[in-house]
Amino acid sequence: DVKVTQSSRYLVKRTGEKVFLECVQDMDHENMFWYRQDPGLGLRLIYFSYDVKMKEKGDIPEGYSVSREKKERFSLILESASTNQTSMYLCASMPSGGSNTGELFFGEGSRLTVL
Amino acid sequence: QKEVEQNSGPLSVPEGAIASLNCTYSDRGSQSFFWYRQYSGKSPELIMFIYSNGDKEDGRFTAQLNKASQYVSLLIRDSQPSDSATYLCYTGGFKTIFGAGTRLFVKA
Repeated sequence: DVKVTQSSRYLVKRTGEKVFLECVQDMDHENMFWYRQDPGLGLRLIYFSYDVKMKEKGDIPEGYSVSREKKERFSLILESASTNQTSMYLCASMPSGGSNTGELFFGEGSRLTVL
Repeated sequence: QKEVEQNSGPLSVPEGAIASLNCTYSDRGSQSFFWYRQYSGKSPELIMFIYSNGDKEDGRFTAQLNKASQYVSLLIRDSQPSDSATYLCYTGGFKTIFGAGTRLFVKA
């Protein structure tokens, strides 16, 4: 069964702290994504990666960075957390090519609260 | 700015009725379209995808795509209370663009 695993389901951090959100997939997918989801705003793309060490900005990259040192792992970093980064963060992976191109496989989500 | 728009709802239908969820998109270059269902507090799960104009049926679900009108819809026949969720549509590709989602309530 395909699986995308996010390291933490719930986190509470303080303003200014550095936050790491980790995501691991076991499907050998080339592409990985980080979204945040807020009520009324849907899913918004923060960053994506189409290969190891490659990254591309999404729609809302400000205040975030990412790291992809291994194919299966994609990390989201908040260098200095702020209260407006309180949100649900969803990681997803997607295969390249094939009949299911474009299908996203999501992790369970990480709900981050910044106090 | 490429956009995908959905009516946020909530859409309320009685059990057994047909629920119709709609999505319009602005990028004429979009090739693939996906419908996801998301229960409260859970991550999205794929229901259907469609690439070609016309209808695609899978059980109680039918996706309809009209590229000329830049419109994709999802019909749920014989709606059940367990269908109550938020439905997200998105266009495929790297710059995945999601609609904000439509909340569906199916009343028993």
